[in-house]
Amino acid sequence: GESVGLHLPTLSVQEGDNSIINCAYSNSASDYFIWYKQESGKGPQFIIDIRSNMDKRQGQRVTVLLNKTVKHLSLQIAATQPGDSAVYFCAETSGTYKYIFGTGTRLKVLA
Amino acid sequence: NAGVTQTPKFRVLKTGQSMTLLCAQDMNHEYMYWYRQDPGMGLRLIHYSVGEGTTAKGEVPDGYNVSRLKKQNFLLGLESAAPSQTSVYFCASSLDSGQPQHFGDGTRLSIL
Repeated sequence: GESVGLHLPTLSVQEGDNSIINCAYSNSASDYFIWYKQESGKGPQFIIDIRSNMDKRQGQRVTVLLNKTVKHLSLQIAATQPGDSAVYFCAETSGTYKYIFGTGTRLKVLA
Repeated sequence: NAGVTQTPKFRVLKTGQSMTLLCAQDMNHEYMYWYRQDPGMGLRLIHYSVGEGTTAKGEVPDGYNVSRLKKQNFLLGLESAAPSQTSVYFCASSLDSGQPQHFGDGTRLSIL
């Protein structure tokens, strides 16, 4: 099985409720941010991104909020489903090849 | 619509052995990356390439080499495997810098 993420913070959410996953980023010069979802045994999957000239961006059932003042990013998942169970992590970049990836949060959806 | 394909998916090596991990992308992306993922740590960049025929060192390049002879392929080599290289290796590609990276499903490598 997948050993990565054994000691990750875990968010447990009841099916149908909304989930909020947070990320503190490190570089004030970062201007592009991405949220990824990683299921067990799979590679990271792109969910949604946002650039620094925006505060909020919405996708299908997901919303990303960016607070540049406190260097904080959040991912909101509406009506959480069992298929949303995974590790979620953020990534930041200042427009170069270098992306800084967070360690992630494990989302568990309770039936 | 394959995206990024990595081979092999699993491999067990003995210390000192060599091997090559293969990555192929069909999205005509310029940038390609090799990362390793270890428990409790974010993805760490090993090497990257900004186009065919180019390679550059990332954050943790020691013990690895890479080649990008064709735009669609990025190879990661371990010349003399060490137990510290036991990890999950991910290849990714992006159209350009400041664009989403698309990942393969990884190669799980154990060095005994």
